[in-house]
Amino acid sequence: DVKVTQSSRYLVKRTGEKVFLECVQDMDHENMFWYRQDPGLGLRLIYFSYDVKMKEKGDIPEGYSVSREKKERFSLILESASTNQTSMYLCASSSPGQRGYGYTFGSGTRLTVV
Amino acid sequence: QQQVKQSPQSLIVQKGGISIINCAYENTAFDYFPWYQQFPGKGPALLIAIRPDVSEKKEGRFTISFNKSAKQFSLHIMDSQPGDSATYFCAASTVGGGATNKLIFGTGTLLAVQP
Repeated sequence: DVKVTQSSRYLVKRTGEKVFLECVQDMDHENMFWYRQDPGLGLRLIYFSYDVKMKEKGDIPEGYSVSREKKERFSLILESASTNQTSMYLCASSSPGQRGYGYTFGSGTRLTVV
Repeated sequence: QQQVKQSPQSLIVQKGGISIINCAYENTAFDYFPWYQQFPGKGPALLIAIRPDVSEKKEGRFTISFNKSAKQFSLHIMDSQPGDSATYFCAASTVGGGATNKLIFGTGTLLAVQP
């Protein structure tokens, strides 16, 4: 069964900490994405990547950075965590050859910044 | 132009009833319209998708209706069941590789099907 795995289901971090959220996919997908999900706001794109070492800003990149050193791994970095970054973070991957060009999502990481 | 507007925000339906969720878009370059279903504690999963060359697509109890001229599409869940209770997201994108394969999501609809 194909998978997108996010390393943590729940995280609690302190304001000002540097936070790493890890995502690994086993489908050899070219594209990977980071979204945050907040009630009433839906899924908002933070960053995405179409290839190794390549990244592009999404709609809400401020306060975040990403790293893609290997095709299967896409990391989201909060340089200095703030309380307004408390959210559910979802990683997804896709390939133009995938059925319906759809995304496969991970189960999410619920991050709380205190 | 890149937005996808989804309504209603929440929906309560009796078991056996029809659930209807609507989405509208502005970008006429969109040519792929999927719906995702998300259960609590899980990531969204692709439910059903349509291309604009057809006006309707049905998979089991789930149907997408597509109106290209109105730039609207909707999800109909027939004979709704309590197990359908979830958050539903519509989305849109242009088909192709690279930067164009980016889905724009609606804000989601929380569906509760009462027994």
